[in-house]
Amino acid sequence: SQKIEQNSEALNIQEGKTATLTCNYTNYSPAYLQWYRQDPGRGPVFLLLIRENEKEKRKERLKVTFDTTLKQSLFHITASQPADSATYLCALSTGGGNKLTFGTGTQLKVEL
Amino acid sequence: KAGVTQTPRYLIKTRGQQVTLSCSPISGHRSVSWYQQTPGQGLQFLFEYFSETQRNKGNFPGRFSGRQFSNSRSEMNVSTLELGDSALYLCASSLEVVSSGANVLTFGAGSRLTVL
Repeated sequence: SQKIEQNSEALNIQEGKTATLTCNYTNYSPAYLQWYRQDPGRGPVFLLLIRENEKEKRKERLKVTFDTTLKQSLFHITASQPADSATYLCALSTGGGNKLTFGTGTQLKVEL
Repeated sequence: KAGVTQTPRYLIKTRGQQVTLSCSPISGHRSVSWYQQTPGQGLQFLFEYFSETQRNKGNFPGRFSGRQFSNSRSEMNVSTLELGDSALYLCASSLEVVSSGANVLTFGAGSRLTVL
């Protein structure tokens, strides 16, 4: 069955450091991969989308890589700030239309 | 521009009852998807509607159903509630501009259902 795993449930880093989150998937070959941010009690918010033929995508302090051979995406937040503390979710299209299958999520905490 | 609006935000029901949740998508968005989020299972896809037709369905029992109206507003219904149905139910809408998988979802704040 399709499985999407994110490296750890929780990741604590110091302010100013780079946070690296991992998304691994099996049994699927997605054309696109998306990353979302979710704050407590709120719905996920879209951050970045990367296509299978793109190795890397950047948006301000965010960077996403997509390795279809390793079946892995890495999500980086550079110069992290306490306001970046949230749960980050990767998602793949797994069946026509707009059906997305989400990963387990990584809770990032940026400490002063 | 208004976001995705879900009502009610919070509700408490007892086992055996049924519940209807409502979702108003962003104006112009014709695709509406529903997800269930629990601490143990994470975000799980329920179903997607596009132009009043169910386009995708997740692996949930028949007690979970939905529909979409001509104005793209959507409702989902859960009948014969069980304790395990306690969850945050999220609705997301999308503007269909590109191929599958490349459309961005805009989520509402969710409806938190507690079943006692």
